[in-house]
Amino acid sequence: DQQVKQNSPSLSVQEGRISILNCDYTNSMFDYFLWYKKYPAEGPTFLISISSIKDKNEDGRFTVFLNKSAKHLSLHIVPSQPGDSAVYFCAASGGATNKLIFGTGTLLAVQP
Amino acid sequence: NAGVMQNPRHLVRRRGQEARLRCSPMKGHSHVYWYRQLPEEGLKFMVYLQKENIIDESGMPKERFSAEFPKEGPSILRIQQVVRGDSAAYFCASSPRLAGVFYNEQFFGPGTRLTVL
Repeated sequence: DQQVKQNSPSLSVQEGRISILNCDYTNSMFDYFLWYKKYPAEGPTFLISISSIKDKNEDGRFTVFLNKSAKHLSLHIVPSQPGDSAVYFCAASGGATNKLIFGTGTLLAVQP
Repeated sequence: NAGVMQNPRHLVRRRGQEARLRCSPMKGHSHVYWYRQLPEEGLKFMVYLQKENIIDESGMPKERFSAEFPKEGPSILRIQQVVRGDSAAYFCASSPRLAGVFYNEQFFGPGTRLTVL
């Protein structure tokens, strides 16, 4: 049962344009959502997060939007840079243990 | 302030051997999570430990896998009698677990890549 889904395995964007990565979840008990960035042979690095009581969180070029009624969140990167090329994982947390449920990832390629 | 350390980075075992993966959390962190990433998949939660206690092992396979986080030393994920299906990247994350904080961020190590021949 995949509780967190990233339906686009890959995305290609031109440098300077906007990248939009999408994520859907099924469990309404999730109360915290995160995006991680991962390069090959490295561990995931935290990018940005959002609590379920908010619908938007912004940090520099990165903005995360949460639509609770649709159980959908998205990550916007603008402007996109070649160094943003990586796999992006959406993750959700709920309950006392803070364990993370990850999506399958989206490979972002930013073309110069 | 060193990050989360995992060793070895790469581990090759033959079927039936034992694999021991080590994780040293960030300084001041007393909570450790283990995740496994199978090829072409996302990371999947395995176990959550505090010092000397297993808090949540709902993601651990019922047999051959065990984890510990002793009072002194690193956390250990142990896989007995490995099979080819155990080949994966195993990531450890540590967290400070501060009181009064809604969510405590997890910091990930670089992972151990286990290959079972």
